[in-house]
Amino acid sequence: DQQVKQNSPSLSVQEGRISILNCDYTNSMFDYFLWYKKYPAEGPTFLISISSIKDKNEDGRFTVFLNKSAKHLSLHIVPSQPGDSAVYFCAAFLSGNTPLVFGKGTRLSVIA
Amino acid sequence: DVKVTQSSRYLVKRTGEKVFLECVQDMDHENMFWYRQDPGLGLRLIYFSYDVKMKEKGDIPEGYSVSREKKERFSLILESASTNQTSMYLCASSLTTGPTDTQYFGPGTRLTVL
Repeated sequence: DQQVKQNSPSLSVQEGRISILNCDYTNSMFDYFLWYKKYPAEGPTFLISISSIKDKNEDGRFTVFLNKSAKHLSLHIVPSQPGDSAVYFCAAFLSGNTPLVFGKGTRLSVIA
Repeated sequence: DVKVTQSSRYLVKRTGEKVFLECVQDMDHENMFWYRQDPGLGLRLIYFSYDVKMKEKGDIPEGYSVSREKKERFSLILESASTNQTSMYLCASSLTTGPTDTQYFGPGTRLTVL
């Protein structure tokens, strides 16, 4: 059973507009969430994270929002740039000696 | 800067061959992980290790084994490669198991089994 779900396999956005990538989770015990970005032929790289005690974390053009009651988080990219075109993975951390749980990813295409 | 290297970027093997994928990290990280990435399936954890000579099964360990004889090196072994093991294999490491200790990934090995 998938604990972290990214229901949109792909998203296309125009350059300069906002990109919103969504992630839902089922386990209310997750206490930390991360977003990774992956370009083709490269390994994923860490982008931004949020603790479950917060509802927002911002880093430059990237903001992650967490709605614990809805078990939902989203990554906002404003403004979107062609270089943001990549696959974005949502990941959740349970606590203790457990590895991250990853979603299936969303492919973002930013069109110039 | 953390560096995770994988022995090959591209590899082509035949069905039934024994395949070794090597991963080395240079930052004295405790934890190492092997994933495979397939279209529509995302990143799936094969095996991980929290210490030398220690290993734990991930979500899809069948058909794979691992070895961690030294802290910096984590090897993934396909005992008898099959065509359904054609995939992108990604190695990662992290300092500890804490949530703020992000995983650093290698560039990946694209394995094709014919």
